[in-house]
Amino acid sequence: DAGVIQSPRHEVTEMGQEVTLRCKPISGHNSLFWYRQTMMRGLELLIYFNNNVPIDDSGMPEDRFSAKMPNASFSTLKIQPSEPRDSAVYFCASSSRRSKNIQYFGAGTRLSVL
Amino acid sequence: AQTVTQSQPEMSVQEAETVTLSCTYDTSENNYYLFWYKQPPSRQMILVIRQEAYKQQNATENRFSVNFQKAAKSFSLKISDSQLGDTAMYFCAFMKLGGSGAGSYQLTFGKGTKLSVIP
Repeated sequence: DAGVIQSPRHEVTEMGQEVTLRCKPISGHNSLFWYRQTMMRGLELLIYFNNNVPIDDSGMPEDRFSAKMPNASFSTLKIQPSEPRDSAVYFCASSSRRSKNIQYFGAGTRLSVL
Repeated sequence: AQTVTQSQPEMSVQEAETVTLSCTYDTSENNYYLFWYKQPPSRQMILVIRQEAYKQQNATENRFSVNFQKAAKSFSLKISDSQLGDTAMYFCAFMKLGGSGAGSYQLTFGKGTKLSVIP
């Protein structure tokens, strides 16, 4: 299996621009999670989906952030407009009960907003 | 809400020696999992070991083992025969089980311990 695939690996953008991060979960996994990692706040959950339905989005910082999962194979996290304080590493992870709820992480996207 | 505390921001160990990383957590839940993840400089988050709270037996994975003390809410990681490739950030994480509402199945992470293995 290819594991969780995230793109892009790095993203550099200017303040005010729209940013879209992408994630392909492991085939057969029905839960998908978006996390953000910063030096100040560590790793924190932004949102998670179960069977393509958002279950908990209480970690989404503002209305500028939105996430979608149109099908079991793809999810996006969008920031519009982006701000310098959004600079972080964004991780996607997937899991299933069959995998004993172990979350497998993608390589992350490092976002820099100038 | 659950909290996870790692009290050692940085640690170092000589190659081939043993090191123990500490983790405590706070929860009112009875059904949960605990994890240790490793994050090397490559940034990839890699599962090291998992412990189910209902199991009294401590989990082991090759050179990695845990000391799970449920009453004390403590979950330490022991690395034996440390290798240079063990150099990484180590994160302790908590997962509440049960139901599909908020707080279930998501990971709550500690701030991490940076481990350096010295040749």
